[in-house]
Amino acid sequence: EVQLVESGGGLVQPGGSLRLSCAASGFTFTHYWIHWVRQVPGKGLVWVARISSDGSGKNFADSVKGRFTISRDNAKNTVDLQMNSLRVEDTAVYYCTRQGGTGPFDPWGQGTLVTVSS
Amino acid sequence: QTVVTQEPSLSVSPGGTVTLTCGLTSGSVSTNYYPSWYQQTPGQPPRALLYQTSTRSSGVPNRFSGSILGNKAALTITGAQSDDGSDYYCVLYMGSGISLFGGGTKLTVL
Repeated sequence: EVQLVESGGGLVQPGGSLRLSCAASGFTFTHYWIHWVRQVPGKGLVWVARISSDGSGKNFADSVKGRFTISRDNAKNTVDLQMNSLRVEDTAVYYCTRQGGTGPFDPWGQGTLVTVSS
Repeated sequence: QTVVTQEPSLSVSPGGTVTLTCGLTSGSVSTNYYPSWYQQTPGQPPRALLYQTSTRSSGVPNRFSGSILGNKAALTITGAQSDDGSDYYCVLYMGSGISLFGGGTKLTVL
C-alpha cells in the first residue's frame, strides 16, 4: 500500500523552529517528487514546497522562501521540511504528497498540525 | 500577483450536472498549466480526481470529467450524487517549480 505519514507537528512560539518529516512506503521513492501543502483549518489548500526525486531541485512558495528548507533521504524514504522564523500565519495542517512527472498529487498523508502561538 | 480563481460555492440537484471552473486573475488557463482537481471532505486529506486537464485518477468514477472551457479549466460532474457534496480544489503548475491552488469550491448537492 502506498503511504505517506507526516510527523513533527506541535506548538511553537513565534520566531521558533520546527522540523516536519514525511515517511514514505509502498512505492519506489526515488521516482517521485514530494510536495508539502498546508491548510489552515476551515480554509483552503496552499502549496508550500517541493523537492525533486534526487533532491537536487527545490522550490518554495514566496510566503516561506528564506525561512523553510526541504531535504530528502532516499535511503530512508523520508522528506523533511525545516521551518524557521515561524509566524502565527504559518499555523496550519501540513500535508505531504507525491507527484510523478506531471501526474497528480497522490496520495496525501493525513497531515500534521503546526500551531504557532505565544 | 496571479491568483487562481474558483467559484466559492455551487449547488446541484441529485442527478444533475454542474461545472466547476479554475481560472487566473491574469491570463488564460491552458493545458500547459497541467490543471488537476482534488476533492476533500471534512477531516480528510484531499483525494486526486483529475490531472493533466482531463485524465481521471485511479478509481474515480467517469461522471467526473475535465476540460478547458474558454479561458479556464473545468471540472464537470454529470449525474451528481449526494456524496459528491465536498470541497473541490484545482491546482495549476505556474512554471519554475511553483504550483498554485485555487481557493476551492464548496459543492452542495440538494
